[in-house]
Amino acid sequence: AQKVTQAQTEISVVEKEDVTLDCVYETRDTTYYLFWYKQPPSGELVFLIRRNSFDEQNEISGRYSWNFQKSTSSFNFTITASQVVDSAVYFCALSPSFAGGTSYGKLTFGQGTILTVHP
Amino acid sequence: DADVTQTPRNRITKTGKRIMLECSQTKGHDRMYWYRQDPGLGLRLIYYSFDVKDINKGEISDGYSVSRQAQAKFSLSLESAIPNQTALYFCATSESSGGTYNEQFFGPGTRLTVL
Repeated sequence: AQKVTQAQTEISVVEKEDVTLDCVYETRDTTYYLFWYKQPPSGELVFLIRRNSFDEQNEISGRYSWNFQKSTSSFNFTITASQVVDSAVYFCALSPSFAGGTSYGKLTFGQGTILTVHP
Repeated sequence: DADVTQTPRNRITKTGKRIMLECSQTKGHDRMYWYRQDPGLGLRLIYYSFDVKDINKGEISDGYSVSRQAQAKFSLSLESAIPNQTALYFCATSESSGGTYNEQFFGPGTRLTVL
């Protein structure tokens, strides 16, 4: 069975602070994908990143960066110099990439972290 | 135009009523999914379909049914709505092969309230 845990239910920061959102996952699959999605107050889900379990390189995209550590089953997301527009619910998700897996093709989501950035 | 559309976007109904939520996609994807989102629980899979003739139950299918009318259409029905089905419902699609086949593309969501 797959499981994704986002232990931080809510985080509140002041603008320009850096903030890290934690994601820990469990899976028996040897190959899998990890995702982060953003859900702004308007409600839609915005895709941020997909990471293959083969690729443990960290990734940076503007103010966003992701730290994937297979040894600790974590895929943490950092926002540098946060802005009010970053206020949203952030979801981490997991999907197997091997067709033989019982959870093939299905996304398992974490509970989400509510991020509030105050001006 | 949006690639994945959901109708209605908002719906208020009463306990015991039959409700259908519809999802259409123009992405040409084989796979379609229905999720519900509840505060503090993330998104949970209700049903998924890998092609028109393949429909599978997800994590929380009780009280729901689905119909895959065509490759582009996947409907979710609540035969007799109850208040704890009040939630935000998302439809999603994905490819069955290719470079983005593990990425799911989400519709805008349907907010359903059952009184």
